[in-house]
Amino acid sequence: NAGVTQTPKFRVLKTGQSMTLLCAQDMNHEYMYWYRQDPGMGLRLIHYSVGEGTTAKGEVPDGYNVSRLKKQNFLLGLESAAPSQTSVYFCASSYGTGPRYTFGSGTRLTVV
Amino acid sequence: TQLLEQSPQFLSIQEGENLTVYCNSSSVFSSLQWYRQEPGEGPVLLVTVVTGGEVKKLKRLTFQFGDARKDSSLHITAAQPGDTGLYLCAGVDNYGQNFVFGPGTRLSVLP
Repeated sequence: NAGVTQTPKFRVLKTGQSMTLLCAQDMNHEYMYWYRQDPGMGLRLIHYSVGEGTTAKGEVPDGYNVSRLKKQNFLLGLESAAPSQTSVYFCASSYGTGPRYTFGSGTRLTVV
Repeated sequence: TQLLEQSPQFLSIQEGENLTVYCNSSSVFSSLQWYRQEPGEGPVLLVTVVTGGEVKKLKRLTFQFGDARKDSSLHITAAQPGDTGLYLCAGVDNYGQNFVFGPGTRLSVLP
């Protein structure tokens, strides 16, 4: 089925560890996004990309890095995880601005 | 940063009841979207409204965009347990630059 696939679905990290979340879409979308979702705070944009090889900061970029080496993939990295990064992370993609987003099913990350 | 507020934050009703949830802002939006998110899944787009005063219907769901394009409402008629989920509104500002989400209304429909 066409859509956005996120891996892994669950992960527990110790403080200071690093990890990479992978997002893959097969809809040929130009735009891709990484959000975090925390209770009562809605979805907050971490980083986004408007095309292969481009990335830009969103509302809450600190502590995260991203890469878009291929159009279909958007990677989110945590270099040194902190408990404040415990959250559910969602990747989304769209054709362009004024977006009709397609979301992945999320990655639940716990940092202990 | 534009802010979208949603009310109520939580709503628990019996099957068959009607309900309305609201999305409000002090800013003008060029469009507003409503998403539904089920537990363990990502949000799924329900509708986009772009014209002030616009009303769209999706089966038992009725969406309205305020005349001034600062607010929107979602009305559900004869709610069913399958309507349970987190309802998020999201908007694009009038310059087409920023896309923001509200915090959501968590709806529980009891059988």
